[in-house]
Amino acid sequence: GENVEQHPSTLSVQEGDSAVIKCTYSDSASNYFPWYKQELGKRPQLIIDIRSNVGEKKDQRIAVTLNKTAKHFSLHITETQPEDSAVYFCAAVNSGGSNYKLTFGKGTLLTVNP
Amino acid sequence: EAGVTQFPSHSVIEKGQTVTLRCDPISGHDNLYWYRRVMGKEIKFLLHFVKESKQDESGMPNNRFLAERTGGTYSTLKVQPAELEDSGVYFCASSQFRHPNSPLHFGNGTRLTVT
Repeated sequence: GENVEQHPSTLSVQEGDSAVIKCTYSDSASNYFPWYKQELGKRPQLIIDIRSNVGEKKDQRIAVTLNKTAKHFSLHITETQPEDSAVYFCAAVNSGGSNYKLTFGKGTLLTVNP
Repeated sequence: EAGVTQFPSHSVIEKGQTVTLRCDPISGHDNLYWYRRVMGKEIKFLLHFVKESKQDESGMPNNRFLAERTGGTYSTLKVQPAELEDSGVYFCASSQFRHPNSPLHFGNGTRLTVT
């Protein structure tokens, strides 16, 4: 089955700095890679996703890159703000297969210090 | 629209007791999923319903866990008898079509503590 590794487990940055979270996956058939943000006590919410036919996707201060050859993908947050503080989860799934369940990484606790 | 709602938000029970978690998906969402996050670890898939049918229950840890979705609306997840390692946050999620063909909406989760 799929295995997703996520690093770092914790990340502390100063407001205004950039933050990068990296994930690797094992199943070359995986083709959809969402990122979820979970604020304390709240639900995980999709913030950005990327499919395997695209190498990079950007939405304002958030971007995701995908390297299919190396089987890794990364989340980039620029100009971080205190409200970006949360746990971020990466995930992978093969949308075309019978196994469509998300496989998550262990999460990264991001703290943005004012 | 109302989001995915889960009840209770917290539950503390003793080892050996029974607990039932409930999930109300977004109205009209045929696909309902249960996931679990044990402390400090990844969110893991438990099972997937399409309407009232179990499509995939390969993530259910053992036969102490029973999920139902009678009538294809809300779902319950019962743990009987609960063990210490069952502690964690149980998330329910729903989607209109099979994910990832449509977005996955999570509930706030139920934090289960078994003492």
